[in-house]
Amino acid sequence: EDQVTQSPEALRLQEGESSSLNCSYTVSGLRGLFWYRQDPGKGPEFLFTLYSAGEEKEKERLKATLTKKESFLHITAPKPEDSATYLCAVQGSGGSNYKLTFGKGTLLTVNP
Amino acid sequence: KAGVTQTPRYLIKTRGQQVTLSCSPISGHRSVSWYQQTPGQGLQFLFEYFSETQRNKGNFPGRFSGRQFSNSRSEMNVSTLELGDSALYLCASSLGAARDEQFFGPGTRLTVL
Repeated sequence: EDQVTQSPEALRLQEGESSSLNCSYTVSGLRGLFWYRQDPGKGPEFLFTLYSAGEEKEKERLKATLTKKESFLHITAPKPEDSATYLCAVQGSGGSNYKLTFGKGTLLTVNP
Repeated sequence: KAGVTQTPRYLIKTRGQQVTLSCSPISGHRSVSWYQQTPGQGLQFLFEYFSETQRNKGNFPGRFSGRQFSNSRSEMNVSTLELGDSALYLCASSLGAARDEQFFGPGTRLTVL
């Protein structure tokens, strides 16, 4: 069974203080690793998909990286508007090919 | 391009009742997945439909069911509601191939009293 563990559960940063969020996973044949951002009371917003170890993707202050066991979401010089819950999900090549297995998320708070 | 829409946005029901939630995917998307989100369990997969056929099902009891119509719109139904069914129900749409990004709607907040 696919499993995803995110750490830390919560992270509080000062504006401009860079940091990283971790997503560790076990999956039978990784098809894709997905990062989402979720604001309170809203549905998850798609950020990135990573398909193979060594791959990196960037969007504004966010950069996602992937190894064979984990993914990192690096946040450079964050702003208060980056405050949200960041979710990581995997899609494996097992029986349920089309479902996403999610971690519990990291609640990021950026103080001005 | 319009995003995924879900109706209703909020719903209050009592134990034993049944409920139907609706999801309209992004135009051109043929796959619709449903997830339940609770504070304790996070996001959990319910089922996925593609071209009116259920391709995948999660580990939920048979009280949870769904269907998809020829225009790709989808509904999910929960019968004999229990207090533990209170959650945010999210639907996500994609083009339908494995590895495609799934785009989520705003969700339906269901409260069971």
